[in-house]
Amino acid sequence: IAGITQAPTSQILAAGRRMTLRCTQDMRHNAMYWYRQDLGLGLRLIHYSNTAGTTGKGEVPDGYSVSRANTDDVPLTLASAVPSQTSVYFCASSGQASSGANVLTFGAGSRLTVL
Amino acid sequence: GQNIDQPTEMTATEGAIVQINCTYQTSGFNGLFWYQQHAGEAPTFLSYNVLDGLEEKGRFSSFLSRSKGYSYLLLKELQMKDSASYLCAVKDSNYQLIWGAGTKLIIKP
Repeated sequence: IAGITQAPTSQILAAGRRMTLRCTQDMRHNAMYWYRQDLGLGLRLIHYSNTAGTTGKGEVPDGYSVSRANTDDVPLTLASAVPSQTSVYFCASSGQASSGANVLTFGAGSRLTVL
Repeated sequence: GQNIDQPTEMTATEGAIVQINCTYQTSGFNGLFWYQQHAGEAPTFLSYNVLDGLEEKGRFSSFLSRSKGYSYLLLKELQMKDSASYLCAVKDSNYQLIWGAGTKLIIKP
């Protein structure tokens, strides 16, 4: 089934640990995004990639890094997790970033708890 | 700054009609989106408006007024499965999506 696969589904980790959230898409979309969603707040963009080999910072990039070595994968890394990074993380993709009508397709999300 | 406002929560009755409003202030405008998100699931696309007026898609319609910075999502013949959060998002001049916090819609029998 075409779409976006995220892993892990959920994870509990200790503060200070390194964590990588994985995201893979099979729709050959150019643009990929990482969002976090917290209660009472809208989706907030962490990092984005308009095409393979390029990345950019979103609204809340601090403490996160992202890479885009190929079209399909965009792992998100927390170098040293802190409790404020407890959230639900969504990966998304779209055909072309600079197009008004492009619809985002979301992965199922990764629930991360940092203790 | 950029801002999207929508009510936090609304309650409606099965079979009725509900209108969810969204007002926005953004730097530039390249379209407005509505997404539906059931609890514990990913958002899914409902509608896209870039020109003023009403877009109808089955039981769901979305309206846009760019001069007023205003949109609404109209849900008719409400069903229990429509219980979800509805997210309003605007693409700004840099084609970045600005998201509202979402409206949780509760449907009662």
